[in-house]
Amino acid sequence: NAGVTQTPKFRILKIGQSMTLQCTQDMNHNYMYWYRQDPGMGLKLIYYSVGAGITDKGEVPNGYNVSRSTTEDFPLRLELAAPSQTSVYFCASSYSLNTEAFFGQGTRLTVV
Amino acid sequence: TQLLEQSPQFLSIQEGENLTVYCNSSSVFSSLQWYRQEPGEGPVLLVTVVTGGEVKKLKRLTFQFGDARKDSSLHITAAQPGDTGLYLCAGGPYNQGGKLIFGQGTELSVKP
Repeated sequence: NAGVTQTPKFRILKIGQSMTLQCTQDMNHNYMYWYRQDPGMGLKLIYYSVGAGITDKGEVPNGYNVSRSTTEDFPLRLELAAPSQTSVYFCASSYSLNTEAFFGQGTRLTVV
Repeated sequence: TQLLEQSPQFLSIQEGENLTVYCNSSSVFSSLQWYRQEPGEGPVLLVTVVTGGEVKKLKRLTFQFGDARKDSSLHITAAQPGDTGLYLCAGGPYNQGGKLIFGQGTELSVKP
């Protein structure tokens, strides 16, 4: 099993550009999450999903969008990138809310 | 507003010392988890506590869930340089669906 796979690992965007961060998991988990982590800080929840076709906002959803058309995939879309979106982004999945969340390796995004 | 407050945010100690990290909230959680994160990696689960008052031990690490399920602590006995890292508490607030939120983390440095 590959676990949770995120692509790309690194990306530099110009202000106003858009991009999609890809996340896929092969563990048949219902729950999937997107977080951002700023230097020396904890993780802030952007969006989450409890199953295919169901998504909901987290703590910091502004400037982002998600979709969940399949159990495996949970892409995160950035429209009109801003310097404030410079961060490390982590995708995670879990079987349920009280079970272990497995994380991808992260995407380091810089907006200049 | 941080739903999960961790303290201290930074801790630098000598090898062999004991330490306690706290995770507090005004909200009730169905469970709380503790993760450890190394630089450049995603967080990895250490333990999940589910029952109020529960105590779990993992070698030199002791985790406790508060009776009211609003707080948790992590105690490390005789810290070693290998314990260095970012420690994060996380949980799903009661009756908030599939949200898994994180505290801001405790950066621990254990010097030989």
